[in-house]
Amino acid sequence: GAVVSQHPSRVICKSGTSVKIECRSLDFQATTMFWYRQFPKQSLMLMATSNEGSKATYEQGVEKDKFLINHASLTLSTLTVTSAHPEDSSFYICSARFSRPYNEQFFGPGTRLTVL
Amino acid sequence: GENVEQHPSTLSVQEGDSAVIKCTYSDSASNYFPWYKQELGKGPQLIIDIRSNVGEKKDQRIAVTLNKTAKHFSLHITETQPEDSAVYFCAASIQGAQKLVFGQGTRLTINP
Repeated sequence: GAVVSQHPSRVICKSGTSVKIECRSLDFQATTMFWYRQFPKQSLMLMATSNEGSKATYEQGVEKDKFLINHASLTLSTLTVTSAHPEDSSFYICSARFSRPYNEQFFGPGTRLTVL
Repeated sequence: GENVEQHPSTLSVQEGDSAVIKCTYSDSASNYFPWYKQELGKGPQLIIDIRSNVGEKKDQRIAVTLNKTAKHFSLHITETQPEDSAVYFCAASIQGAQKLVFGQGTRLTINP
């Protein structure tokens, strides 16, 4: 159990285009999903917290208009990188949280975004 | 806010030996401490966690210990195998808070 999927696993796009990444909890309902960004050989950087049916909460320094997050159902959250630039190239990972008192989070496999 | 420090940043051990990774946290209200294993190009995988009402938890070759007074917790891997080679992250969280605060990560290499 506790499987989280991401799609696509890898995407290459041209500068100026928008890219959508999907995150799904396959076998449980996730009231909260999280989006992280990871640079090579670094730790996970939380970008935003997404609660089903409400607006995402962004971490300080993360551009809301650039990284659009939608959490339309208890099993699906999407991250859209708008007007992507080469500096947006990174490894993006989502996680989903059980509806429990403790903060157990299960991560997806990640999406490698390369902006040319 | 919470801050988590993780040491060492790299660790190399001989196959069959034990490996220990240590983390300290700053907020005494933190009560949930998971450990994640991340292989190259993949997402982190939850391998073990501990809550503040427990001092130690074990799962086969993996164990985690928690010292609430000193505000530190450790991951112990015994009888290491080549497939244990990965980056390991510790994290801390406060009950009711949604976010996990991660340590910087430890790159573990098991030498055959």
